[in-house]
Amino acid sequence: DVKVTQSSRYLVKRTGEKVFLECVQDMDHENMFWYRQDPGLGLRLIYFSYDVKMKEKGDIPEGYSVSREKKERFSLILESASTNQTSMYLCASSKAGQETQYFGPGTRLLVL
Amino acid sequence: GENVEQHPSTLSVQEGDSAVIKCTYSDSASNYFPWYKQELGKRPQLIIDIRSNVGEKKDQRIAVTLNKTAKHFSLHITETQPEDSAVYFCAASPRGRRALTFGSGTRLQVQP
Repeated sequence: DVKVTQSSRYLVKRTGEKVFLECVQDMDHENMFWYRQDPGLGLRLIYFSYDVKMKEKGDIPEGYSVSREKKERFSLILESASTNQTSMYLCASSKAGQETQYFGPGTRLLVL
Repeated sequence: GENVEQHPSTLSVQEGDSAVIKCTYSDSASNYFPWYKQELGKRPQLIIDIRSNVGEKKDQRIAVTLNKTAKHFSLHITETQPEDSAVYFCAASPRGRRALTFGSGTRLQVQP
């Protein structure tokens, strides 16, 4: 059974702080994704990675960066958090060549 | 890039009725169309998907239809039950792109 975990369920940060969100999957998946989920906007892709140290920008990468040093771990970094980054952040993973994505439980981030 | 529009944003039906959710996509190269269900407080999970070489697919009470010419696809749920209450997301994946583009979501409420 695929398991995708995220480091925190809830997080409160202050404007200007550097924020790290971590995602770990245990199924040896090559692809990993970061989305943000906002009411009425669905899931929007921030970044994805198809291999260690490889990354591609999604649809809304501004204000974010990512790191993938190990295959099982994909980190989302908010360099300087702003209030408009208050959102639910979802991580997902998939096997190379397969489109089905498996999601983590999400991190609800509040930036004050 | 791909753009996916989803309607309606909310849908309320009586238990036992059918529910239909519709999505349109813009990129004619898209060839994979999954549907995810997200129950309150939980992670999105794949419930059914369809590829562009198929017009319809069924799985018990759930079916998806695809019209490539019109670039739209629909989710049909028959004999709805209270446990079908959730937010449903459609998505599309252009050929060769690993990432999905999601619709804005439909909140389905099944009234007992």
